[in-house]
Amino acid sequence: ETGVTQTPRHLVMGMTNKKSLKCEQHLGHNAMYWYKQSAKKPLELMFVYSLEERVENNSVPSRFSPECPNSSHLFLHLHTLQPEDSALYLCASSQDNGDRGSYEQYFGPGTRLTVT
Amino acid sequence: LAKTTQPISMDSYEGQEVNITCSHNNIATNDYITWYQQFPSQGPRFIIQGYKTKVTNEVASLFIPADRKSSTLSLPRVSLSDTAVYYCLVPGLDSSYKLIFGSGTRLLVRP
Repeated sequence: ETGVTQTPRHLVMGMTNKKSLKCEQHLGHNAMYWYKQSAKKPLELMFVYSLEERVENNSVPSRFSPECPNSSHLFLHLHTLQPEDSALYLCASSQDNGDRGSYEQYFGPGTRLTVT
Repeated sequence: LAKTTQPISMDSYEGQEVNITCSHNNIATNDYITWYQQFPSQGPRFIIQGYKTKVTNEVASLFIPADRKSSTLSLPRVSLSDTAVYYCLVPGLDSSYKLIFGSGTRLLVRP
């Protein structure tokens, strides 16, 4: 138990559906992240929020839309996805202290997404 | 863009020391180097982090030479439960938030 929870743990959706992934952190951190992990590929950073402001958008298609209503919650809204978007979506949080890369990220268990 | 290179896989036996080296020859002078462990279908877990020379915690040591172009994660006396993928992580040159996960090293510990 890392203090970061994600729901749902598994999701199957059609290409025309709209769904949302939810992440919640109970660690008092000020930064939250979305990552995508496809089979046999490295983790890919998608979005970063620091102090509830998006500070990184790593060339992610617009069919993925993040939302950070407060420092404890992060959502990833999904619409008109493609089969190649099937992957493990991981949320993480950290306490950003300003030093480059010195923050420890705590990851949630992930949402296994299958797009049919 | 800072990039990391690690061996794709390594084999070891229980009780041995395992050293995994990561090349990161283009990191900024004040960047930290971080290592994570990941089991199948789980999120990565922080192992250790360092900036220079040597860092040790209860599970691992991290060696960083003076030129900081590489780092070595050392796992003393591995057990079967250490079988996992190990990632070396550095910040991107253009953004400290653009954290670069390499392809990882798949470590298999045999009885």
